[in-house]
Amino acid sequence: DTAVSQTPKYLVTQMGNDKSIKCEQNLGHDTMYWYKQDSKKFLKIMFSYNNKELIINETVPNRFSPKSPDKAHLNLHINSLELGDSAVYFCASTPSTGQGSYTFGSGTRLTVV
Amino acid sequence: GEDVEQSLFLSVREGDSSVINCTYTDSSSTYLYWYKQEPGAGLQLLTYIFSNMDMKQDQRLTVLLNKKDKHLSLRIADTQTGDSAIYFCAETTNSGYALNFGKGTSLLVTP
Repeated sequence: DTAVSQTPKYLVTQMGNDKSIKCEQNLGHDTMYWYKQDSKKFLKIMFSYNNKELIINETVPNRFSPKSPDKAHLNLHINSLELGDSAVYFCASTPSTGQGSYTFGSGTRLTVV
Repeated sequence: GEDVEQSLFLSVREGDSSVINCTYTDSSSTYLYWYKQEPGAGLQLLTYIFSNMDMKQDQRLTVLLNKKDKHLSLRIADTQTGDSAIYFCAETTNSGYALNFGKGTSLLVTP
């Protein structure tokens, strides 16, 4: 059983489109995250939700909107996609203590053309 | 924010030990992590260490933590070609449990 699963694994889309990435975890964790890995492999936090409540919102364009329908799911919706949004997006989860078992999904490679 | 520093590249021969070093920034970090990323793959949690520990060993992996110098290292014994990957060091932050990552060390294991 996959602990943190993301869909789709690959996403190729044109500039200006709107797209969503879904994430689900079956670990019973309370906190979920979105990270972005750029072309130089640098990883940076974007958002964090704890029990469906937003607790981190880094400097990310407001075209990016996370949504957490329940504590097992955290989706990422991106409006008006730009070339610079091309990256690998990773979902992660942790217990409510936020530390220790910090598990990542396998990533979604987004390519904007 | 401040940077977690790692050397960018390390090359070792198969069978040798590899040591990947990391300098972190936040002395209040409670957990420090090592992740492995193979080409085109996700982030695999290798190990983590709690800040009140000096050392943690898990099979071929040994993590050493020097809190005074804010230095973390990962030693891989008997390195294999399958260990070739990028290794990321990460620290917890005060910002809602987010991780602050280093830029990764590319480990190349040659036969």
